[in-house]
Amino acid sequence: DAKTTQPNSMESNEEEPVHLPCNHSTISGTDYIHWYRQLPSQGPEYVIHGLTSNVNNRMASLAIAEDRKSSTLILHRATLRDAAVYYCILRDYSGGGADGLTFGKGTHLIIQP
Amino acid sequence: AAGVIQSPRHLIKEKRETATLKCYPIPRHDTVYWYQQGPGQDPQFLISFYEKMQSDKGSIPDRFSAQQFSDYHSELNMSSLELGDSALYFCASSLGLGGGPRDTQYFGPGTRLTVL
Repeated sequence: DAKTTQPNSMESNEEEPVHLPCNHSTISGTDYIHWYRQLPSQGPEYVIHGLTSNVNNRMASLAIAEDRKSSTLILHRATLRDAAVYYCILRDYSGGGADGLTFGKGTHLIIQP
Repeated sequence: AAGVIQSPRHLIKEKRETATLKCYPIPRHDTVYWYQQGPGQDPQFLISFYEKMQSDKGSIPDRFSAQQFSDYHSELNMSSLELGDSALYFCASSLGLGGGPRDTQYFGPGTRLTVL
């Protein structure tokens, strides 16, 4: 399986943008890039996903490099509630099936008030 | 909006006992996943079911088994419990097989299992 690499932790100030990087140099053409996050004492939560083009939703934006070997999750205006562990996960849909998510180490995002 | 329901939320067992965890997916979701998260660790995928059939298998011990019922709820059965089984167990549900957005997994609050 293609692997992802993320920084162990990042720190940002409240109400400022946050850019969370993810490297996936061995990504295949059929891999989608998914982001989930896990707030303290809660189950993981879907954030966003994309294949080739940049994506936006109400929670965040996903910027995907042209060669797809890296991506960046962008939180436009971080709040204290965004403090969580953020996971970048590759998912291959070519074979079908309800495949489980492979969580790597993730980035622990700390938000300072 | 309705979310994934897990019961019980907390469970304390002795070594070598058995435990059954239940998961009720979001209405109309036909796929269920089980994950285990040990203290200070990242979630690890155990097993998944689609339309009552096992779909994918992760690092689930042989002592554990699971099934999905006709109403789509799922149960994780754990036997001969060991101290190392103490963890948070999350259930997630999704709508449909693969296909991008339909495969978004929605997680429940988890069951905290403590083995003494």
